[in-house]
Amino acid sequence: NAGVTQTPKFQVLKTGQSMTLQCAQDMNHNSMYWYRQDPGMGLRLIYYSASEGTTDKGEVPNGYNVSRLNKREFSLRLESAAPSQTSVYFCASSYGGSNTGELFFGEGSRLTVL
Amino acid sequence: GQQLNQSPQSMFIQEGEDVSMNCTSSSIFNTWLWYKQDPGEGPVLLIALYKAGELTSNGRLTAQFGITRKDSFLNISASIPSDVGIYFCAGANQAGTALIFGKGTTLSVSS
Repeated sequence: NAGVTQTPKFQVLKTGQSMTLQCAQDMNHNSMYWYRQDPGMGLRLIYYSASEGTTDKGEVPNGYNVSRLNKREFSLRLESAAPSQTSVYFCASSYGGSNTGELFFGEGSRLTVL
Repeated sequence: GQQLNQSPQSMFIQEGEDVSMNCTSSSIFNTWLWYKQDPGEGPVLLIALYKAGELTSNGRLTAQFGITRKDSFLNISASIPSDVGIYFCAGANQAGTALIFGKGTTLSVSS
């Protein structure tokens, strides 16, 4: 099984450019999440979707938008990229609600904004 | 907002040594979890704890959910080179919106 698949794995953008990170899971999970990981900062929640058709802001949502396209797919969009958005982005999913804790992560998407 | 204080930030140990790391919070959590992240990969769940006082083992790993529900620790016994990575604690509460992660403990093991 593929689990959680993220694309692209690497991306370099110029300031002001836009892009979308794609995420898909094949585990029939209800909830999906986007985190960013920066050195010394741990994992910080950007947005999450508790179920198909719903999305909510996390700790650091500014500069991002999300779309829960269907039960399998959850995309993260940067409308106008900034150097502060240089980071490693992780998509995750869980079967239960967002407080059950057992998340399955993708391999990450490494984004550099110049 | 809620924060998890994870310590130590990094550890450098010899193969065969035991390791202990912990996580504390000013808030009560109903769930404590420990994840490991290998270089270039996403985090993977090691142990999940759901009850105050619970002590759970997974091979050489042992974790406990603190009685006060505000802390947890993870022990690794007889470390080996493949234990290298970043270990994250994470907590969730009934009213929470999603997992909150600590900043991680980076473990280096020399053989």
